[in-house]
Amino acid sequence: DAGVTQSPTHLIKTRGQQVTLRCSPISGHKSVSWYQQVLGQGPQFIFQYYEKEERGRGNFPDRFSARQFPNYSSELNVNALLLGDSALYLCASSYQGGGIGRTEAFFGQGTRLTVV
Amino acid sequence: KNEVEQSPQNLTAQEGEFITINCSYSVGISALHWLQQHPGGGIVSLFMLSSGKKKHGRLIATINIQEKHSSLHITASHPRDSAVYICAATPITGNQFYFGTGTSLTVIP
Repeated sequence: DAGVTQSPTHLIKTRGQQVTLRCSPISGHKSVSWYQQVLGQGPQFIFQYYEKEERGRGNFPDRFSARQFPNYSSELNVNALLLGDSALYLCASSYQGGGIGRTEAFFGQGTRLTVV
Repeated sequence: KNEVEQSPQNLTAQEGEFITINCSYSVGISALHWLQQHPGGGIVSLFMLSSGKKKHGRLIATINIQEKHSSLHITASHPRDSAVYICAATPITGNQFYFGTGTSLTVIP
């Protein structure tokens, strides 16, 4: 069974551009969360989706948006990229949605975004 | 102030040493997770705790709910244990992890 897969693995974008990151959860998992990890820091929560509905949002500007599809895969979109958006973006999936941390979460390898 | 604090930030040990990484949290939690992150980014879940102690191979995780403190121990450390270890807490209310900043462990042969 495949784990959580994220694409692309690496990405370079220019300031002001838009980017879409993709995540496929483990088969059977209905909850997907997105995290931003800036170099040298712990991950910061961006969004959680469960059954295609947003269940949580972190302290990120409206330039960040996400959605979950009927097959439970998810996309994270970031508009008007800033240099400070350069980070590792992690996706985590779990079976339950009522509190992702209440069940074991599985993380993808991440997408490393560099904004120049 | 972060909801989750870890110490130390960096740790270098000789192969075979016993290692302890500490985590303190300030929120009421439903679970505490220990995660391992290797260079390149991928995160692996090591433990999920809500009370007591868990052991998996050379890794032991403990939690004291009253003191809001958890520890991750590595016995007989090995160079392949070199990684960043992250403590993450799930609050009683809310659907997210609060992450610590991680402890970078280097085990020297």
